[in-house]
Amino acid sequence: DQQVKQNSPSLSVQEGRISILNCDYTNSMFDYFLWYKKYPAEGPTFLISISSIKDKNEDGRFTVFLNKSAKHLSLHIVPSQPGDSAVYFCAARPRSGGGADGLTFGKGTHLIIQP
Amino acid sequence: KAGVTQTPRYLIKTRGQQVTLSCSPISGHRSVSWYQQTPGQGLQFLFEYFSETQRNKGNFPGRFSGRQFSNSRSEMNVSTLELGDSALYLCASSQMRAWGETQYFGPGTRLLVL
Repeated sequence: DQQVKQNSPSLSVQEGRISILNCDYTNSMFDYFLWYKKYPAEGPTFLISISSIKDKNEDGRFTVFLNKSAKHLSLHIVPSQPGDSAVYFCAARPRSGGGADGLTFGKGTHLIIQP
Repeated sequence: KAGVTQTPRYLIKTRGQQVTLSCSPISGHRSVSWYQQTPGQGLQFLFEYFSETQRNKGNFPGRFSGRQFSNSRSEMNVSTLELGDSALYLCASSQMRAWGETQYFGPGTRLLVL
């Protein structure tokens, strides 16, 4: 059973417009959420994170929104640039209680920025 | 600071062999996690080490094992390789932030089992 779901395998957005990447989760114990960007043949690159005590976190062109009641989060990229074309992964982990749990990843969304 | 480094970057083995992968975390990071990435299953958590102790383990068979040294460098070992072990193996080191840990990934080791 997938605990973190990215239902759009791909998304095409025009350069300069807003890219919105969505992620749903089922585990109510998840407390900390991260977005990663991945190019082929490279490891994932951390973009932005949010904890469950917040509903929005912003870093430059990237904003993550968290809706806990809907168990949904989204990543907004404004404005979208050609270099943003990559696969984006949503990841989540529970609150650490003495030990740490590994991240649970979604399957990724391939974002394509069109000129 | 240098990022997470992994060696080797590429590896070809045959079924039944064993393999050891190495990971050096970002300087000052004490936690190292390992993940397997395949086209079908995506990124899956293998295990995490902190201060030379395995702190958590994902749902993988006992053929997958690891260890961490006193300098925080970590190795992952897979014994009796199977074709299905072909994957990208990623290592990540963790940094504590105000609201939790953030993991930074290395470039990965691509393992091909023939």
